[in-house]
Amino acid sequence: EPEVTQTPSHQVTQMGQEVILRCVPISNHLYFYWYRQILGQKVEFLVSFYNNEISEKSEIFDDQFSVERPDGSNFTLKIRSTKLEDSAMYFCASSGPGTEHSPLHFGNGTRLTVT
Amino acid sequence: AQKITQTQPGMFVQEKEAVTLDCTYDTSDPSYGLFWYKQPSSGEMIFLIYQGSYDQQNATEGRYSLNFQKARKSANLVISASQLGDSAMYFCAMREVSGSARQLTFGSGTQLTVLP
Repeated sequence: EPEVTQTPSHQVTQMGQEVILRCVPISNHLYFYWYRQILGQKVEFLVSFYNNEISEKSEIFDDQFSVERPDGSNFTLKIRSTKLEDSAMYFCASSGPGTEHSPLHFGNGTRLTVT
Repeated sequence: AQKITQTQPGMFVQEKEAVTLDCTYDTSDPSYGLFWYKQPSSGEMIFLIYQGSYDQQNATEGRYSLNFQKARKSANLVISASQLGDSAMYFCAMREVSGSARQLTFGSGTQLTVLP
């Protein structure tokens, strides 16, 4: 069964550094998402991406964050200058061309630790 | 206001028993979808079951069923014949369909522990 893949599985970075989290969505999916989950807490929406542009973003997704689909397969999340509070699990997800019935398929996540 | 509320931070159930995980939602959108996900301790998010707001029947998927009460805005997950492998965090989520948004909004989750 096709799956969403995320790399790396764990990233450690120093405060103020830039990080890029990578995702390969399921190939025939059209909608892409980033979520984050601070340890033990709820899964929070960051941004959705459709037709090569951001379709929705949350208050968390400020100017420090950006997303890109550079080559038609990868979908990346960049954090320009990481803060301690950016430490979290970051999930990429994708959903198919259907309507409201399409579930999100999640990758296994990247655990980001900012020191 | 919270769009998805899960009032049970933790639940315990005996192996082979059934358990109900509660979820209430808040929306003025007439068209929406409700989803349940399982997150084991390994961290991945696994889709379990879906219920559409216009579906006449409660969704079922193997040992999972959804007790959908639209007037009460509740979509409780029922797990029958619990197994030790069901121990995990369970999240209820909603998609409001009007407009172009496709993202899900998640509740705070319920940690289910199945006892041998």
